[in-house]
Amino acid sequence: NAGVTQTPKFQVLKTGQSMTLQCAQDMNHEYMSWYRQDPGMGLRLIHYSVGAGITDQGEVPNGYNVSRSTTEDFPLRLLSAAPSQTSVYFCASSYLAGDYTGELFFGEGSRLTVL
Amino acid sequence: KNEVEQSPQNLTAQEGEFITINCSYSVGISALHWLQQHPGGGIVSLFMLSSGKKKHGRLIATINIQEKHSSLHITASHPRDSAVYICAVVSYNTDKLIFGTGTRLQVFP
Repeated sequence: NAGVTQTPKFQVLKTGQSMTLQCAQDMNHEYMSWYRQDPGMGLRLIHYSVGAGITDQGEVPNGYNVSRSTTEDFPLRLLSAAPSQTSVYFCASSYLAGDYTGELFFGEGSRLTVL
Repeated sequence: KNEVEQSPQNLTAQEGEFITINCSYSVGISALHWLQQHPGGGIVSLFMLSSGKKKHGRLIATINIQEKHSSLHITASHPRDSAVYICAVVSYNTDKLIFGTGTRLQVFP
């Protein structure tokens, strides 16, 4: 199993550009999510999905868009990049253990710099 | 005040020492995760627990639901244990994960 595959690992953008961070998992997990990690702060949830066709906002959704057309893929789109979106982004997936998420599987992270 | 607090923020140890990292939380939870992040690397799940104690190799995680506290212990620490250890709780009310800011551990030979 490849687990959670996240691309690209590094990206530099100019303010106003758009891009998509890709995330794919091969474990048939229902739950997928995107987080950003900033210095001195805990991981913060951007968007999440509990299954194909279902997405919802997390703590910091502004400036980001997601879709879940298949169980495997959960891309994160930056619509018009801003310097405040400079961060490390992590995709994570898990099975749903009743009312809460099971063991978490993370991608390797994507370091994004917006100039 | 953060809903999930970890202590200490930074920890240095000599190889072979017993390590304890603490996590306190202020919300009702369904489960608690301990995660490991190596420098420049991805995040790996160590434990998920909702009660009692779990052990995997030299790592032990405990949780006290009544006291809203969890500990991660590393026995016979090794330089390869150097990493950031992150505590995350699943809020009972929202089902969302709330992350602590992590404990940076450095183990010297």
